[in-house]
Amino acid sequence: EAGVTQSPTHLIKTRGQQVTLRCSPISGHTSVYWYQQALGLGLQFLLWYDEGEERNRGNFPPRFSGRQFPNYSSELNVNALELEDSALYLCATSLRGIHEQYFGPGTRLTVT
Amino acid sequence: AQSVAQPEDQVNVAEGNPLTVKCTYSVSGNPYLFWYVQYPNRGLQFLLKYITGDNLVKGSYGFEAEFNKSQTSFHLKKPSALVSDSALYFCAIYSSASKIIFGSGTRLSIRP
Repeated sequence: EAGVTQSPTHLIKTRGQQVTLRCSPISGHTSVYWYQQALGLGLQFLLWYDEGEERNRGNFPPRFSGRQFPNYSSELNVNALELEDSALYLCATSLRGIHEQYFGPGTRLTVT
Repeated sequence: AQSVAQPEDQVNVAEGNPLTVKCTYSVSGNPYLFWYVQYPNRGLQFLLKYITGDNLVKGSYGFEAEFNKSQTSFHLKKPSALVSDSALYFCAIYSSASKIIFGSGTRLSIRP
């Protein structure tokens, strides 16, 4: 069974640009979570989607947004990129409800 | 405020000795607690969870954790450490506000 996939693997953007990251869940998983892991820091919760709706978001500005599609895949959009947005962005998926999460390999975003 | 704390940035243990990675939490309502591991150059993996029931939870790779309600702790343990256990370990909770909070991580180093 295929795991959680994320694309692209790496991305280099310039400050002020916009970026879209993508995540495909494990078959049967309806919940998608996005996290930011900056170098040397822990995981910061960004967004949680379930059944197409945003369940909750972390303490990030509105320029971080996303959506979940009918096939439960998800996109994370970051507008007006800033240097401090450079990080590993992790997607995780789970069954609906409070279950363990399965993580993708991440997208490494570098903002110059 | 709901939170999770991993008080040790790094834990060093000799191979074959028991290991403990500490986690304490503050959450209203029933806690839902998880441990994840991040091996070098690999994604985050689920180790074990406590939702309800027996306070001693067994997980992958011989790890276990004990839920202690009075001490609000969920320490990760293993009777005999392996060099291959060297990794970054994260404790996580679901809060009643439907937010997922990860600890800052503890780097476990097992010396031969």
